[in-house]
Amino acid sequence: QVTLRESGPALVKPTQTLTLTCTFSGFSLSTSGMCVSWIRQPPGKALEWLALIDWDEDTYYNTSLKTRLTISKDPSKNQVVLTMTNMDPVDTATYYCARIRSWSDAWFDPWGQGTLVTVSS
Amino acid sequence: EIVMTQSPATLSVSPGERATLSCRASQSISSNLAWYQQKPGQAPRLLIYGASTRAAGIPARFSGSGSGTEFTLTIGSLQSEDFAVYYCQQYDNWPPFTFGQGTRLEIK
Repeated sequence: QVTLRESGPALVKPTQTLTLTCTFSGFSLSTSGMCVSWIRQPPGKALEWLALIDWDEDTYYNTSLKTRLTISKDPSKNQVVLTMTNMDPVDTATYYCARIRSWSDAWFDPWGQGTLVTVSS
Repeated sequence: EIVMTQSPATLSVSPGERATLSCRASQSISSNLAWYQQKPGQAPRLLIYGASTRAAGIPARFSGSGSGTEFTLTIGSLQSEDFAVYYCQQYDNWPPFTFGQGTRLEIK
């Protein structure tokens, strides 16, 4: 069974750096084609794709946020980490991680339960 | 960037009736489209990929169709558990992956 779980702080202050961890099981991020992505959703709003890391450690980012995002993986721990710098109240959202099985089959399945991050002083 | 537009924003349908949700891409995405269902307080769940293939465990009352720029999600004989928000997502040309703004399916 494939599962993913997000963890990180529930509250961060403006200008701080957010670090989120996605811990997964049931698959290997070293398998050719496998990817993990981060997606966020502000309260009551739509989904926004943030970043992706693949089995070969290639990384891809949402252009509008690229300067603030870093995605990395720790295969030994089955974890993917997302950092976002210079947090702002508009970054308040539920952050999800999700698996992609291959570049050509690039739908998100499954998703983690999500973690709500509030940006406030 | 490919823009995904969903309509309507809100759809009111009675239980037992059929619901038809639309998704339009700003350029052709072949059949590289997925549909997700999201219930309050929950993560999105994959329903359909490849525009028309149901994901594992998804009931047959959910069906997807379309290719190119126009796509439809049809839910036949609505059950109480089907009232939720539905999102489409393109994976033809990425990055970035892009989602529609969602259609809220509510009980009439």
